[in-house]
Amino acid sequence: DGGITQSPKYLFRKEGQNVTLSCEQNLNHDAMYWYRQDPGQGLRLIYYSQIVNDFQKGDIAEGYSVSREKKESFPLTVTSAQKNPTAFYLCASSPVTGQPREKLFFGSGTQLSVL
Amino acid sequence: QKEVEQNSGPLSVPEGAIASLNCTYSDRGSQSFFWYRQYSGKSPELIMFIYSNGDKEDGRFTAQLNKASQYVSLLIRDSQPSDSATYLCARGTHGSGNTGKLIFGQGTTLQVKP
Repeated sequence: DGGITQSPKYLFRKEGQNVTLSCEQNLNHDAMYWYRQDPGQGLRLIYYSQIVNDFQKGDIAEGYSVSREKKESFPLTVTSAQKNPTAFYLCASSPVTGQPREKLFFGSGTQLSVL
Repeated sequence: QKEVEQNSGPLSVPEGAIASLNCTYSDRGSQSFFWYRQYSGKSPELIMFIYSNGDKEDGRFTAQLNKASQYVSLLIRDSQPSDSATYLCARGTHGSGNTGKLIFGQGTTLQVKP
């Protein structure tokens, strides 16, 4: 089955620790995205990538880093510089061509909490 | 002013009624609008998208867009308890290099009471 796989489902971070959230897709989509969702809030864009080896900052990129070495993979690292990392993290992908181009396919999410 | 604004609710309707969810946006150049449904603890799923002024119907769902007044709405007819969820309104960003980049509202929680 085609889709987006996020892991782990739950993640705990200790003070000063970097953690990496995994996102893999087999939809052959060119574009991938990371969103953050806080309780009772909408989604805010952290980073996005439209092609391999290229990515752009979203609205709240500070304290996060990404890489896009393969089309299928877009891991997100939450660094120790992110002082309030507790949130639900959603990875998404979309086709660059076809309509609507903004039709996002979401993974099942990772809930990150601070110990 | 938030870019995409929704009333967080909760909006409570009886089973079988019409639920009306509203969204306003600030960027007059916005071209495309999306409604996502999100169950608690789950990821959003796309319900409707609309580009043109007027109504777009899909089953029990109707999206309405009024670009002059900068609002978009979602009507759910014959509401069912299974429709109870948070509904996220989003607008697409226009211009080159912004493929798939969406701006989301904070969501409206809908409760359908049996």
